[in-house]
Amino acid sequence: LAKTTQPISMDSYEGQEVNITCSHNNIATNDYITWYQQFPSQGPRFIIQGYKTKVTNEVASLFIPADRKSSTLSLPRVSLSDTAVYYCLVGDGVGNTGKLIFGQGTTLQVKP
Amino acid sequence: EAQVTQNPRYLITVTGKKLTVTCSQNMNHEYMSWYRQDPGLGLRQIYYSMNVEVTDKGDVPEGYKVSRKEKRNFPLILESPSPNQTSLYFCASSRALANTEAFFGQGTRLTVV
Repeated sequence: LAKTTQPISMDSYEGQEVNITCSHNNIATNDYITWYQQFPSQGPRFIIQGYKTKVTNEVASLFIPADRKSSTLSLPRVSLSDTAVYYCLVGDGVGNTGKLIFGQGTTLQVKP
Repeated sequence: EAQVTQNPRYLITVTGKKLTVTCSQNMNHEYMSWYRQDPGLGLRQIYYSMNVEVTDKGDVPEGYKVSRKEKRNFPLILESPSPNQTSLYFCASSRALANTEAFFGQGTRLTVV
């Protein structure tokens, strides 16, 4: 199983760049890496997805090294509204069977 | 608007009284799943479905049932709820393959007393 490991929590200040790293040593060849954001009592919301190298959208960037055993979500110039839990997700490594595993996530606290 | 709709949003019930939480999506997605979320444990998958009449267990399936008779609906059934099933539940849907963007419902907060 492609289990993920992330820091439990992180603090930042408004306007700073935040980087959250996720470890996934057993990622399978055909697995993508997906990040979600969750606010209290709401369902997770898709942020970004990538397979290798770098992916960027209007919200974040995702950096994936060549060995794909880790990935880093980068949030540029965070604001108070970015305070949330961030989850790193990969498939279970046994083909595309649909079994997704959410780790405990990283609670990001953005301070003024 | 693309969405996943769960009902009810809040439910308080007694031990042993059968209940169903409904989930419906309007995006014609093949893949649907149920998760529960508990403090300190993150999101854990209960059941998932790759298509109509195709369901399989996630990580914590004990005490739950699901059915997928139609593509848009994926109800979660608790035949005999117990207090340890008190939790926040989320339904999600995505395109055929897992590990793609998933759309989550608003959540159902269930309390079993």
